[in-house]
Amino acid sequence: GAGVSQSPSNKVTEKGKDVELRCDPISGHTALYWYRQRLGQGLEFLIYFQGNSAPDKSGLPSDRFSAERTGESVSTLTIQRTQQEDSAVYLCASSATSGQAFYGYTFGSGTRLTVV
Amino acid sequence: RKEVEQDPGPFNVPEGATVAFNCTYSNSASQSFFWYRQDCRKEPKLLMSVYSSGNEDGRFTAQLNRASQYISLLIRDSKLSDSATYLCVVNTLGSGNTGKLIFGQGTTLQVKP
Repeated sequence: GAGVSQSPSNKVTEKGKDVELRCDPISGHTALYWYRQRLGQGLEFLIYFQGNSAPDKSGLPSDRFSAERTGESVSTLTIQRTQQEDSAVYLCASSATSGQAFYGYTFGSGTRLTVV
Repeated sequence: RKEVEQDPGPFNVPEGATVAFNCTYSNSASQSFFWYRQDCRKEPKLLMSVYSSGNEDGRFTAQLNRASQYISLLIRDSKLSDSATYLCVVNTLGSGNTGKLIFGQGTTLQVKP
């Protein structure tokens, strides 16, 4: 597609349930990123994938969070045993790379997760 | 200390005013710099890149001072449609020469008629 696609756009789940969020990056973009944005807060880096390199997982807040990416396509972010503090907008972004140049990201419209 | 720091504001200015936002970053190895704009309940969108020589895009001017690790954004002749949160963003290079963008908390601008 023309942009980064995320699904679902909204998700309400009960505390303790697992959720899976999906991101479909722009075709040809080798890098894919997940961020979290709590209400009224800035973007918090979670994880990024670059081609076949090992992902940078340094931002994942706990072992309840995991993410996978198949090749240079779809990624899923999984949150196990959700807690109320997991409520946030989860944003996915992708970027193209060219040597040292870096062109910034294109974001999807996010998944708004509410844990009740 | 946060990696990217911004004054959260809000900045309330009248239409036509000139307003400046500042940002500091802590990682001297940062390579690329950007300003993003985020409207309420929307995803961030790239406003402009920031170059060492300074760059301008219409009413928007961005400056970078690597020695002071300081970035600025100047908006001239503010419009109502400029009301948004402006995010200062820096990247750190990871493997494969791609970047992990670190976002500031954002500065909120409200332009009033």
